[in-house]
Order: sequence, then structure tokens, then C-alpha cells
Amino acid sequence: GNSVTQMEGPVTLSEEAFLTINCTYTATGYPSLFWYVQYPGEGLQLLLKATKADDKGSNKGFEATYRKETTSFHLEKGSVQVSDSAVYFCALWDNYGQNFVFGPGTRLSVLP
Amino acid sequence: DTAVSQTPKYLVTQMGNDKSIKCEQNLGHDTMYWYKQDSKKFLKIMFSYNNKELIINETVPNRFSPKSPDKAHLNLHINSLELGDSAVYFCASSERSAGGRGEQYFGPGTRLTVT
Repeated sequence: GNSVTQMEGPVTLSEEAFLTINCTYTATGYPSLFWYVQYPGEGLQLLLKATKADDKGSNKGFEATYRKETTSFHLEKGSVQVSDSAVYFCALWDNYGQNFVFGPGTRLSVLP
Repeated sequence: DTAVSQTPKYLVTQMGNDKSIKCEQNLGHDTMYWYKQDSKKFLKIMFSYNNKELIINETVPNRFSPKSPDKAHLNLHINSLELGDSAVYFCASSERSAGGRGEQYFGPGTRLTVT
């Protein structure tokens, strides 16, 4: 079946540090890939997406590249801010099987 | 306008009670979902529903039942509430028909506390 694996958190960084949150997936077809962000006390918001191999999704300084050869979609940001503190979820949409799968989430804390 | 809305935002109730959480989406999507998020932030899908089929996660107790009066609404009814039902419940919607990329849009969540 389809699955998404993320690096375990919590991840704690100082402001302006470089961020990487690893995400790998298993899927039977050619899924679309997503990163969602959940700020404290809020629902999940779509952060970025990529729908085919080698696509790069980007938003708010975050980027992730769809790597089919390594089945990965790692989230990166060059310089994090305190306001980026949140839980980040990697997810996939399997259009063939018509199901949506979330990873377990990675909590990021950015210290001033 | 809020794309996916839920009411109430907070719900505190006693064990054994029956309660409902309402969800509405104004995105014109064909599919709606309910998720349960535990204290460790893990998201568990409970149901997905469109006008053709209801898919139930087999691990969800039958005390939980989704009710959809129309395409834009999917309410969650819970009978005989238990302490372990305390969690945050999220409603979401997506377009699953041909051409839809499947991305889901979430409501703000309902924090349910059972005492």
C-alpha cells in the first residue's frame, strides 16, 4: 500500500538556520506530493505541491523537489524564522487508487 | 469567505453523551473527509465521502457516523462518547473527479474534550 515516512522530530533550530525535513514515500503509481503546515491551534494549510517527477514546489521561501529515483520530497528553507514554528506534514495523492496519505508530521521549533 | 468551516470550535461534554460536529465547504468539491488528530499530532482518516460512496476506516468505532444532507455538508455524529474520543477533529474537502489533483483543504478543527 501507499505510505509516507518523515524524519522524526522535534527539530529545533536557531533563527536564520537552514532547514531540511526529509520525506520519502511508497506508492503504486505516480502520485502527487504535498507539504502541509499546521500552526499552533490551527488547521492544516497547503504549503506547496508537485505533481510529477522533477517538479519543484515552492512557497513562502520553502521548496521541495519531486525525486522519483529516490522516492523523496524533502522540504527545505534557506533561513527559518520564529514564525515558521509549526508541524509539517508530507502527503501524497495516489490518483490511481484515489487515496490521500499523510506522514506522521514533524514539529519544528525555531528559537530567536 | 471561509472555504471549509466547522462548528463548534470547542466542545466539552461528559462520557455517554451524544454530540455532533458540523462541517461545510463552499469550494464546490465533490469529496469530504473527517480526520482525528491525537495529542501527538498524528492524523488518522476516519471517513471519506462523496455522492457515490462512503469509505469508512475499519478501525473507527461504529459509534461514529457521518451524515451528509447535501454535497456541501458532512456532519460527524458521535454516540456514547468515551474518554478516548478526546482529540481534535478536522473536516476537509477535495476534488477527486477527473483532473482533480487531490489536494485537500482543511477546516480549523474542533477540539473535543470528554470528561
